[in-house]
Formats: sequence, C-alpha cells, structure tokens
Amino acid sequence: DAKTTQPTSMDCAEGRAANLPCNHSTISGNEYVYWYRQIHSQGPQYIIHGLKNNETNEMASLIITEDRKSSTLILPHATLRDTAVYYCIVRAAIQGAQKLVFGQGTRLTINP
Amino acid sequence: DSGVTQTPKHLITATGQRVTLRCSPRSGDLSVYWYQQSLDQGLQFLIQYYNGEERAKGNILERFSAQQFPDLHSELNLSSLELGDSALYFCASSPPLGVAGPGELFFGEGSRLTVL
Repeated sequence: DAKTTQPTSMDCAEGRAANLPCNHSTISGNEYVYWYRQIHSQGPQYIIHGLKNNETNEMASLIITEDRKSSTLILPHATLRDTAVYYCIVRAAIQGAQKLVFGQGTRLTINP
Repeated sequence: DSGVTQTPKHLITATGQRVTLRCSPRSGDLSVYWYQQSLDQGLQFLIQYYNGEERAKGNILERFSAQQFPDLHSELNLSSLELGDSALYFCASSPPLGVAGPGELFFGEGSRLTVL
C-alpha cells in the first residue's frame, strides 16, 4: 500500500471550512484514497473515498489532483464535533484483503 | 452505530492472566479485522479473517491469537498478559467488494483492556 504524508496537526475556526491535505505520491493506478476519522477513543469512522474523481457526501468532499499524487478532504462548515484525528489511507480494493494501515493522521482542532 | 458489536467494553485483569475479546460483525460482512491502540499510540493492525480463514497478519504477538467462527463472529485471545498489553482493542468488519463500495471498514466501539 502507498505511503501517505499528512500534517501532524491543524486548527480551524468553527463554521469555517477545514481543508486537510494528504500527499500520496507513490499511489498506484488501482489504489483508492480513503479518509477516516477517530474522535477521542472512539472507533474510527469512515468519511469518504475516491479513485480519480472528486467525491462529495453528507460529511465531506474529497478533491483528488489530476495526477492523483495528493488529495484534500474538505469539511465545509466545521463544528466542534469535528475535532478528531483524520487519517488518509491509500490501498487497492482486493476481495478479502482490505486491511487498512493507519499512519499518525492529522489532529484537527475546531476552535469556537 | 456502525453495526459492529464488541464485548466486553471494559476489562480489568492482572498480569499473567488470559482474556477473550469478542466481536460480532455487521450482518453480511465476511471480513473481520482486529486493531490495537495503546495510550497515545496509533492504530496497529493485528490480524484479519475472511469467511473463517486468516487472510492477513500484522504486528500480532505470539501470545495473542484469534479465530473467526462459522457464524462469522470473531474472538481475540490474549494470554500471559503484560502491563504493556493495556490498550483499546478495536474490531472492524467489511462487506464483500461491490456490496458497499470498495470495502470500507466499519469499526466497533472497542474493548478497553487494563492490565494491573
């Protein structure tokens, strides 16, 4: 699985958009980009994933560069409940072999 | 609620003892994964089962073992416990590819193990 690089920590004001970057320059053509988050001591929560195109769901938007070497997770209107560690993970989708390898992630703090 | 159930939620035991953590995956999910998260540490992948068979192994100690039963629930057995085994243990499950995207994982709320 390709390695990812994320900033250790970020701050964002409540109500503003939070933009979390991720570098994955060694990503392969069949690897997806996944984002998960972990709110203090809770189980990690799936946010969004993408392969080539930008994606949006009720939680966030995922912007993937055309060369797929980096991506940005966007939380459009951050709330205090969005304070968490955010993990960017890349891996291929292989039947029966879908483990996720978590890095250190980005600790996002939403300030009032 | 992810649909993944882990028991017990909390467990306190002594060094040298043995414990079993249980995980019930979401209905229809064939894969079960176990992760360990020590205090202020990242999530460490331990082991994965797919439809009863071991599929991937991570940094799992020899004192630890796991299995997945025919009804797809899984158990993680931790023996000869040491103080350093104190951690949150998460179980996750994922559906077969094509059922719900490229196999995202759904995590339970974890079992917090304290070894005294």
